[in-house]
Amino acid sequence: DAKTTQPNSMESNEEEPVHLPCNHSTISGTDYIHWYRQLPSQGPEYVIHGLTSNVNNRMASLAIAEDRKSSTLILHRATLRDAAVYYCILRRNFGNEKLTFGTGTRLTIIP
Amino acid sequence: KAGVTQTPRYLIKTRGQQVTLSCSPISGHRSVSWYQQTPGQGLQFLFEYFSETQRNKGNFPGRFSGRQFSNSRSEMNVSTLELGDSALYLCASSPGSQGETQYFGPGTRLLVL
Repeated sequence: DAKTTQPNSMESNEEEPVHLPCNHSTISGTDYIHWYRQLPSQGPEYVIHGLTSNVNNRMASLAIAEDRKSSTLILHRATLRDAAVYYCILRRNFGNEKLTFGTGTRLTIIP
Repeated sequence: KAGVTQTPRYLIKTRGQQVTLSCSPISGHRSVSWYQQTPGQGLQFLFEYFSETQRNKGNFPGRFSGRQFSNSRSEMNVSTLELGDSALYLCASSPGSQGETQYFGPGTRLLVL
């Protein structure tokens, strides 16, 4: 599986936008970019995914670089409930269901 | 729809014992995957079952095994427990067509003494 690189931790003020970066320089053409997050004492939950174009859903936006070697998860208005570890994962849409988690970014929200 | 449920939520065992953990997927989901989460190694894939067959396996010793029943419920078993098996064991389900979103349960926290 291709590798992703994320900062270990980030802080953001409540009600401000948060930009969580992810580098994936060895991404292949068939790799989708998935984001999951894990809130304290819970299992991971799906946030968003994309292939080439930017994506939006009710939770977040995903901005994908033109060369696909990096992406950014955007939380438009962070709340205290967004404090979690965010994982950027590359995944092919065939092969198997395995998710390869890295170390993720621990996001702290400052009230 | 009810989410993924795992039982028990907490478990304490001693070295050498064996343990069985259970996972009930979301209704209609046919794929169940298991993960181990530890502070040192993070989240690691154990195995995935689809239609009662193991479809993929991670890099864990043979002491870790699993199975899936015809109703898609899954169990994982760890034999001859070691202290290092203390971890949060997470189960995830998906419809089964590959590449779909995984839905995780709350996990079973296992402590081996």
